[in-house]
Amino acid sequence: GAVVSQHPSWVICKSGTSVKIECRSLDFQATTMFWYRQFPKQSLMLMATSNEGSKATYEQGVEKDKFLINHASLTLSTLTVTSAHPEDSSFYICSARRGSGDTEAFFGQGTRLTVV
Amino acid sequence: KQEVTQIPAALSVPEGENLVLNCSFTDSAIYNLQWFRQDPGKGLTSLLLIQSSQREQTSGRLNASLDKSSGRSTLYIAASQPGDSATYLCAVTGNQFYFGTGTSLTVIP
Repeated sequence: GAVVSQHPSWVICKSGTSVKIECRSLDFQATTMFWYRQFPKQSLMLMATSNEGSKATYEQGVEKDKFLINHASLTLSTLTVTSAHPEDSSFYICSARRGSGDTEAFFGQGTRLTVV
Repeated sequence: KQEVTQIPAALSVPEGENLVLNCSFTDSAIYNLQWFRQDPGKGLTSLLLIQSSQREQTSGRLNASLDKSSGRSTLYIAASQPGDSATYLCAVTGNQFYFGTGTSLTVIP
């Protein structure tokens, strides 16, 4: 149990276009989802925290108008990279928690975004 | 702000050797600590979760310990195998996850 599915696993897009990444909790309801970004050979950097039905909380330095996060249901959160540029190329990973009292998080398999 | 550090950054050992990965954190007010494995270009696989009230957890050849008061955790891998080669990340949970910098492990056949 506790499976988080992320889609797509990789995507290549042209500069200026937008890309949507989906994060789904397959067998549990995720009240909180997290989005991370990982640069090569570096650790994960938290971008934002989203709670179902409310606006996401962005970390300092993360542009909320560029990285749109929607957590419309208890099983789905989406990250949209708007007007993508080559510097947005990175590995994006989501994670989900089952509830406020549950501190374990489960991670998606990640999405490799390449902007050309 | 919580800071998580992992030592060493990289480790190369011959197959069969026992090894220890270290994780330290600055704020002892944590809910739990998790160890993850990440293969190149892949997501995270959870290995062990230690609740803040626990001292250690074991799974197969893996044993993780937690000393909250000193802000340290260790991941012990027994009888290492080439398939263990990966990056190992520790993460502590407060209001959010704080990840360490990772240890890149290579087990040489």
